[in-house]
Amino acid sequence: DQQVKQNSPSLSVQEGRISILNCDYTNSMFDYFLWYKKYPAEGPTFLISISSIKDKNEDGRFTVFLNKSAKHLSLHIVPSQPGDSAVYFCAASSHGSGNTGKLIFGQGTTLQVKP
Amino acid sequence: EAGVAQSPRYKIIEKRQSVAFWCNPISGHATLYWYQQILGQGPKLLIQFQNNGVVDDSQLPKDRFSAERLKGVDSTLKIQPAKLEDSAVYLCASSPRTGGGNTIYFGEGSWLTVV
Repeated sequence: DQQVKQNSPSLSVQEGRISILNCDYTNSMFDYFLWYKKYPAEGPTFLISISSIKDKNEDGRFTVFLNKSAKHLSLHIVPSQPGDSAVYFCAASSHGSGNTGKLIFGQGTTLQVKP
Repeated sequence: EAGVAQSPRYKIIEKRQSVAFWCNPISGHATLYWYQQILGQGPKLLIQFQNNGVVDDSQLPKDRFSAERLKGVDSTLKIQPAKLEDSAVYLCASSPRTGGGNTIYFGEGSWLTVV
């Protein structure tokens, strides 16, 4: 059972435009969401996170939006740069009693930003 | 601050052989994770330690995989005997604590090819 889904395996955008990466989840107990970026031959690096008490979190060019009713989150990158080309993973965890805080990952979306 | 260190970076072995991976987490981080990432998929948790105790090993194939974190710092993950489907990146990660709302930091990964 895939609790976190990234339905778009790949996305291609032009430099300077907006990149929008989407993620859906099924477990209503998830209350903390993260985005990781992964370059080839490297481990995932933390990008941005959001708690379920918020619907938006912004950090520079990166903004994450959370729609709890739709169980959907998205990552917006504006403006996109060629260096943003990487695989982006969405991840989720639960805060509740007894939860270990382990992250459940989506399958990833490969973003290509063309110069 | 030094990140999560892993070795070896790359390993090629024949099926039925054994292999061991080593991890040194970020200094002071109590929680250590081993994730498996198969090409085209998101990372999947194999085992989670809090100090030197196991918090979650529900997805660890215990007939062939073992892991330990003696003294609550370094950790080793062993596969014996290896199968072709074990070809993956083995990612070690750490976080300051266990529980929700936690950001996990990854090492660069150990790439295993089983032939």
